[in-house]
Amino acid sequence: EAGVAQSPRYKIIEKRQSVAFWCNPISGHATLYWYQQILGQGPKLLIQFQNNGVVDDSQLPKDRFSAERLKGVDSTLKIQPAKLEDSAVYLCASSLGALAGGYNEQFFGPGTRLTVL
Amino acid sequence: KQEVTQIPAALSVPEGENLVLNCSFTDSAIYNLQWFRQDPGKGLTSLLLIQSSQREQTSGRLNASLDKSSGRSTLYIAASQPGDSATYLCAVELNDMRFGAGTRLTVKP
Repeated sequence: EAGVAQSPRYKIIEKRQSVAFWCNPISGHATLYWYQQILGQGPKLLIQFQNNGVVDDSQLPKDRFSAERLKGVDSTLKIQPAKLEDSAVYLCASSLGALAGGYNEQFFGPGTRLTVL
Repeated sequence: KQEVTQIPAALSVPEGENLVLNCSFTDSAIYNLQWFRQDPGKGLTSLLLIQSSQREQTSGRLNASLDKSSGRSTLYIAASQPGDSATYLCAVELNDMRFGAGTRLTVKP
């Protein structure tokens, strides 16, 4: 079974530029998550999708971050414009979601390491 | 607001030693607690998931316990090996998943 795929693996941009990350979850997983992991910290949830609807985006800085999952499969996370403090690893995860009946193990992709100069 | 704390932040042990990593959380209302391993430059690998009704889970040399009432979990690693060197994260889930900052483990040959 293929895991969660993410691209690119690494990205270096200058502040005020735009960047986009892509995630392809495990086939059949209804729930998709984007996390931000700053160096030395644990991952922090940015946004959670159930199929193509947003379940939780309370910690997403909506003035500069946006995410979509139009067909309920792949997802894109965008930052526009980027700030120095956005330097982090962006992790995508997926899970079966409500179908799992409370057992909601998340499977993580390798992440995209973003450096903002 | 759920806060998750992991102690110690870093740990270095000689090969073969048994060790315990600690995780504490402030709100006992959780669905489950999960321990992850993270290698440098890589994503998270799930090691053990303990549902709120369970007390412990075991996988090979790993044993995780959960005491929900006291807001504590431990990850026990037996007979540590250099390949166990990684960062270990615990996370608790209710409506979302909250992570600790991790314990960076180094096992020296």
